[in-house]
Amino acid sequence: AQSVTQLDSQVPVFEEAPVELRCNYSSSVSVYLFWYVQYPNQGLQLLLKYLSGSTLVKGINGFEAEFNKSQTSFHLRKPSVHISDTAEYFCAVSDIYGGSQGNLIFGKGTKLSVKP
Amino acid sequence: DGGITQSPKYLFRKEGQNVTLSCEQNLNHDAMYWYRQDPGQGLRLIYYSQIVNDFQKGDIAEGYSVSREKKESFPLTVTSAQKNPTAFYLCASSIFKTGNQPQHFGDGTRLSIL
Repeated sequence: AQSVTQLDSQVPVFEEAPVELRCNYSSSVSVYLFWYVQYPNQGLQLLLKYLSGSTLVKGINGFEAEFNKSQTSFHLRKPSVHISDTAEYFCAVSDIYGGSQGNLIFGKGTKLSVKP
Repeated sequence: DGGITQSPKYLFRKEGQNVTLSCEQNLNHDAMYWYRQDPGQGLRLIYYSQIVNDFQKGDIAEGYSVSREKKESFPLTVTSAQKNPTAFYLCASSIFKTGNQPQHFGDGTRLSIL
């Protein structure tokens, strides 16, 4: 079964510093990949998605992610973070084929804390 | 604006009581989902529905029930059989239940035990 590993449960970083949130998934079969952001006591908001094509995907709020099929990774990056980026970030994967397509498998989340 | 509305925002359950969480969407989406979120555990799928009058169990369906009588509504009942119901519950929808369709989320209901 598909699984998603977010390697860091918490990432503290200073404002204007770069950040990378790491995500690895288990299966080498074809997948769709997503990053979502959750602010306190709110639902999840889509940051970006990889469906096909270019392996570098740009999303909202200056975030981008790179799909690496050989390493089964989809790491999220931002070159300069702001205080307002403080939130929890979730990586999710969906199989392209099979009965479970459309079901999102989520990682356990990474809490990004941006300090002034 | 189109979106997903979950109510109530906070809910308290007494021992032996069933409670129902509301989820309404005006996005005209066919597929709807219920997730449970526990601290440090990510989101786990409880139930999903691809079409009216049809729904399927997710990974943690025991102690929960759903209905889908209308396209825009997908209520979740937490029954007394769910022994550990304290969690944050999120409802989501997508145009279709295919992997390339992103899911849109409501703002959640936080359920606690009295």
